[in-house]
Amino acid sequence: GAVVSQHPSWVICKSGTSVKIECRSLDFQATTMFWYRQFPKQSLMLMATSNEGSKATYEQGVEKDKFLINHASLTLSTLTVTSAHPEDSSFYICSARSGKGSYEQYFGPGTRLTVT
Amino acid sequence: RKEVEQDPGPFNVPEGATVAFNCTYSNSASQSFFWYRQDCRKEPKLLMSVYSSGNEDGRFTAQLNRASQYISLLIRDSKLSDSATYLCVVNDSGYSTLTFGKGTMLLVSP
Repeated sequence: GAVVSQHPSWVICKSGTSVKIECRSLDFQATTMFWYRQFPKQSLMLMATSNEGSKATYEQGVEKDKFLINHASLTLSTLTVTSAHPEDSSFYICSARSGKGSYEQYFGPGTRLTVT
Repeated sequence: RKEVEQDPGPFNVPEGATVAFNCTYSNSASQSFFWYRQDCRKEPKLLMSVYSSGNEDGRFTAQLNRASQYISLLIRDSKLSDSATYLCVVNDSGYSTLTFGKGTMLLVSP
């Protein structure tokens, strides 16, 4: 149980285009989903926290107008990187938490974004 | 600023060796502590939670010292498959967010 999927697993796009990444909890309802970014040899950095049906909470330094997060249902959250630039190239990982008395987050397999 | 510090390594050890990783955290209000394992180009996976009394899971032993704000992970009888990056992770309060260390890379050689 507690499986989280992400789609796509990798994507290459041109500078200036937008990319949408999906995060799904497959066998549980995720009241909270988290979006992380990881640059090479760096730690995972939390970008934003999203609760189903409400606006996402962004970490300091993360532009909410550039990284659009939608958590429309208890099993799906999306991250859209708008007007992507090469410096947005990174490994984007989502995680989900059921919220039923557990701190544990279940991670998706990640999406590797390359902006050319 | 919330910080979790780890020795980046890499730690190169032969099969069968015992290796220890250390981690310190800056937020004294931190409540929950974990060790995650991350393989190259993969997502992190929970290895074990860390409890105040210390806990063991097979070849893995985790210790927590709240007074020193220090967490450790001991791996005994290292296997080739243990090669990965080990992430120290702290949950700051309640249901709040996880703060990840940069990880310590372990390379186990035959």
